[in-house]
Amino acid sequence: DVVMTQSPLSLPVTLGQPASISCRSSQSLVYSDGKTYLSWFQQRPGQSPRRLIYEVSNRDSGVPDRFSGSGSGTDFTLKISRVEAEDVGVYFCMQPTRWPYTFGQGTKLEIK
Amino acid sequence: QVQLVQSGAEVKKPGASVTISCKASGYSLTSYRVHWVRQAPGQGLEWMGVINPTGGGKNYAQNLQGRVTMTRDTSTSTVYMELSSLRPEDTAVYYCARDGCEFWGQGTMVTVSS
Repeated sequence: DVVMTQSPLSLPVTLGQPASISCRSSQSLVYSDGKTYLSWFQQRPGQSPRRLIYEVSNRDSGVPDRFSGSGSGTDFTLKISRVEAEDVGVYFCMQPTRWPYTFGQGTKLEIK
Repeated sequence: QVQLVQSGAEVKKPGASVTISCKASGYSLTSYRVHWVRQAPGQGLEWMGVINPTGGGKNYAQNLQGRVTMTRDTSTSTVYMELSSLRPEDTAVYYCARDGCEFWGQGTMVTVSS
């Protein structure tokens, strides 16, 4: 199985400051079609996960542009340019490239 | 709009089985695979498997093989996930999600306790 390793696992951030979460995969996430499949999700307390980013860097509809994804191969990053109060929650990366799909452990973002 | 609506919370005893439904609306069920993901209390997300509503093809997580069964009823646009031989460690919120995981159900809490 592809192991997804996130860091940090806890991320205290001051409002208005940037935040960055790393996600590393144990195998390349480049699929046979040449695309790289890596998604980011936000989960607010008591809610279902919400997809923010797909295929490394594509923002989903309605996702604020302060969220951005980057990376390649086995090394990926989610960045929030200026953290707002509504960004509090747990962030997960997920690889849908190889069976079984696997998730990172989650990064808990809180306001300092 | 796309919606996935799941059945309600369940409480089961160890050794029993549970079946959760996931009714799709706002799109054709046969156009996208449906995944099942679970989350134990305070824990991360675990992918359980996927069903292709068109032909019924499935792919299950190896650690659940033999205990999980996914089915679909295209006439009602509903996908089902049955988990058997329940153990306390199966206590979790169970989610269905459309392929790509852009759309998720609201989650179904399953508690396994004697």
